[in-house]
Amino acid sequence: GNSVTQMEGPVTLSEEAFLTINCTYTATGYPSLFWYVQYPGEGLQLLLKATKADDKGSNKGFEATYRKETTSFHLEKGSVQVSDSAVYFCALSHTGTASKLTFGTGTRLQVTL
Amino acid sequence: DTGVSQNPRHKITKRGQNVTFRCDPISEHNRLYWYRQTLGQGPEFLTYFQNEAQLEKSRLLSDRFSAERPKGSFSTLEIQRTEQGDSAMYLCASSSGDVGNTIYFGEGSWLTVV
Repeated sequence: GNSVTQMEGPVTLSEEAFLTINCTYTATGYPSLFWYVQYPGEGLQLLLKATKADDKGSNKGFEATYRKETTSFHLEKGSVQVSDSAVYFCALSHTGTASKLTFGTGTRLQVTL
Repeated sequence: DTGVSQNPRHKITKRGQNVTFRCDPISEHNRLYWYRQTLGQGPEFLTYFQNEAQLEKSRLLSDRFSAERPKGSFSTLEIQRTEQGDSAMYLCASSSGDVGNTIYFGEGSWLTVV
């Protein structure tokens, strides 16, 4: 079946540091890949997505590239801010499963001054 | 477009009571999903509607859970005879089925069973 594996958190960084959150997946066929962000006490917000191999999704300074050869979709940001502190979820959606999302367990990011 | 709306946002109930959550999806989205999220975990799929038809239910959805979407617009999720293990955030999401099928989530309904 489909599965998503994320690096465990929490990840603690100083403001302006470089961020990488690793995500790998297992799926048949060609899933779409997503990063969602969840701020404390809130629901999930779509951060970025990629629908085919070698696509790069980007938003708000975050980016991730769909790597089929390594089945990965790592999230990166060149310079994090305190306001980026949240939980980040990697997810995949497969057209053969009603397009429902399969999520990783989430990675908590804490950015300090 | 007001996004996916859920209510109530928070519910505290005694064990054994029934609770109902409502979800209003983004208008014209024909797909509606319910997920459950417990602390420290990612959301888990519960059920899915295409218009008013409930097309898929997870094994997580026990007989005490029932979801409806009577007119293909809003949806309700009812939990009967609540148990402490039902304490979680219940997330509703909707999509239009576009390429990549971007799914948009509401802010969730927190349930605490005491």
